Amino acid sequence: GDSVTQMEGPVTLSEEAFLTINCTYTATGYPSLFWYVQYPGEGLQLLLKATKADDKGSNKGFEATYRKETTSFHLEKGSVQVSDSAVYFCALSSYGGSQGNLIFGKGTKLSVKP
Amino acid sequence: ETGVTQTPRHLVMGMTNKKSLKCEQHLGHNAMYWYKQSAKKPLELMFVYSLEERVENNSVPSRFSPECPNSSHLFLHLHTLQPEDSALYLCASSQDKAGGDTQYFGPGTRLTVL
Repeated sequence: GDSVTQMEGPVTLSEEAFLTINCTYTATGYPSLFWYVQYPGEGLQLLLKATKADDKGSNKGFEATYRKETTSFHLEKGSVQVSDSAVYFCALSSYGGSQGNLIFGKGTKLSVKP
Repeated sequence: ETGVTQTPRHLVMGMTNKKSLKCEQHLGHNAMYWYKQSAKKPLELMFVYSLEERVENNSVPSRFSPECPNSSHLFLHLHTLQPEDSALYLCASSQDKAGGDTQYFGPGTRLTVL
């Protein structure tokens, strides 16, 4: 079945460092891909999404490109801030069928130190 | 209020209690979801409702009973829970249950079963 694999955390960075969180997926169809962020004590918020190959999702300085050839959707940010400390989830949702289920990775906890 | 709201935010209950979690979405969506988030496990989809009809039940124990009286409200009725049911319960909604739709999450209810 469909699945998402993302890098294990925690990831600890200094402020203004470059961030990459790897995400790869397995899907039988042509999924949409998402990054969600969960700040401490809160629910999940959509960070960005991409619906087809070569699309780039971006928001708040974060970017991810839908790479069909490598089945990847890595999250990047050029300069992280302390306020970016959170858990980041990669997810996919496949078209077709009767289900609109999101399949999530296990999450990567990011801690940014001043 | 906007978005997806959940009440209560925190709940402590004994194994013999009966309680209910409430979710309300103000987005005009047609699909609603319950997820369970446990420590160190991926988010688990529990139930999916589309136009007030339950369309998916992911082998959830009968001690969890969902109810969707209209497209804006979703409840999760709890009875005779076990300590391992302690988790963050997240509600989400999307325009439809079709694949690729963005799901919007509430802040969650932190449940502790004693």
